[in-house]
Amino acid sequence: EAGVAQSPRYKIIEKRQSVAFWCNPISGHATLYWYQQILGQGPKLLIQFQNNGVVDDSQLPKDRFSAERLKGVDSTLKIQPAKLEDSAVYLCASSLAVAGGRTQYFGPGTRLLVL
Amino acid sequence: AQSVAQPEDQVNVAEGNPLTVKCTYSVSGNPYLFWYVQYPNRGLQFLLKYITGDNLVKGSYGFEAEFNKSQTSFHLKKPSALVSDSALYFCALPQPGNTPLVFGKGTRLSVIA
Repeated sequence: EAGVAQSPRYKIIEKRQSVAFWCNPISGHATLYWYQQILGQGPKLLIQFQNNGVVDDSQLPKDRFSAERLKGVDSTLKIQPAKLEDSAVYLCASSLAVAGGRTQYFGPGTRLLVL
Repeated sequence: AQSVAQPEDQVNVAEGNPLTVKCTYSVSGNPYLFWYVQYPNRGLQFLLKYITGDNLVKGSYGFEAEFNKSQTSFHLKKPSALVSDSALYFCALPQPGNTPLVFGKGTRLSVIA
């Protein structure tokens, strides 16, 4: 079974530029998550989708971050304009459904450096 | 709010010795608890989880964890550490009524040959 795919793996941009990340979840997984992991910290949720609908985006900085999951499969996360503090690893994860005991499977992440 | 705590930033152990990575939790009700491992420049890999039932949970790569309700702990253990176990380990639990995970700050395990 293929895992969660993410691209690009690395990205370097200057502040105020825009950037987009792509995620393809495990086939059949209805729930998709984007997490932000700042160096030295645990991942923190940015947004959660159930199929193509948003379940939780309470921690997404909506003035600069946006995300979509068209057709309930792939997802993109965009930052515009980027700030220095956005330097982090962006992790995509998926699970079969929304339920507390469901295991989330993570992709390799996209490491973003904002200069 | 539900939370987990990992009291140790770093754990050092000699190869072949048993290892323990500590995690305590704070929840209302019965918790679901997870352990993940992160190798350099890679995403998080699922190790094991506690949902209900047997307090000793066995997972991948020879790891196990013991759920202790009275001490609100879920420590990760392995009887004999390998150098390849050196990585960053995260304890996590889901928020009430939903699945986004809340992670601890992580514990870096270093296994020395």
